[in-house]
Amino acid sequence: DAKTTQPPSMDCAEGRAANLPCNHSTISGNEYVYWYRQIHSQGPQYIIHGLKNNETNEMASLIITEDRKSSTLILPHATLRDTAVYYCIVRVAGDGYNKLIFGAGTRLAVHP
Amino acid sequence: NAGVMQNPRHLVRRRGQEARLRCSPMKGHSHVYWYRQLPEEGLKFMVYLQKENIIDESGMPKERFSAEFPKEGPSILRIQQVVRGDSAAYFCASSTGDEQFFGPGTRLTVL
Repeated sequence: DAKTTQPPSMDCAEGRAANLPCNHSTISGNEYVYWYRQIHSQGPQYIIHGLKNNETNEMASLIITEDRKSSTLILPHATLRDTAVYYCIVRVAGDGYNKLIFGAGTRLAVHP
Repeated sequence: NAGVMQNPRHLVRRRGQEARLRCSPMKGHSHVYWYRQLPEEGLKFMVYLQKENIIDESGMPKERFSAEFPKEGPSILRIQQVVRGDSAAYFCASSTGDEQFFGPGTRLTVL
């Protein structure tokens, strides 16, 4: 079973920031938070991951609370092409065994 | 730098036939994972392979399903005697040990 909880759906206006929350209250000390998205039944796309520090890349920012029990994925300027299902996943990284356990995710709809 | 490739992209089979799905990982990747996505559901892990070895098949149905990743060539997911419940999108991913990169999927329809 997935170790994360996400809202089933969210809306966002084009050009505004999309803030997608994720709860992972049982996360272990060696588990990372990963975010993937799936655009209209395409293969999932890696977005970002982090352990405890906030992370930023060209796609998004990841804010992890100090107690690591929750995090927020931020798309700073959402576009219509960001409409997708976003999955928050926790797992141990770098140990050579990295099965991904997907939950239901958040269906983000970006509207004009 | 080609991504993960899967073929065919669409596959139609009649009940009782065999389905063979192929996955070519990204260059230099030796880890391959197969996931299945039933209609309107999330992705479910099926099997994890390294070259010539099955590492974890805990998500594979006990019967009719098998997977291989030979020393040469693509990884193959094989479904024997398909049933309508096998209709789904099958995605493979490859990895060097951290991020996983997914292919476009094979959509299997069983008539």
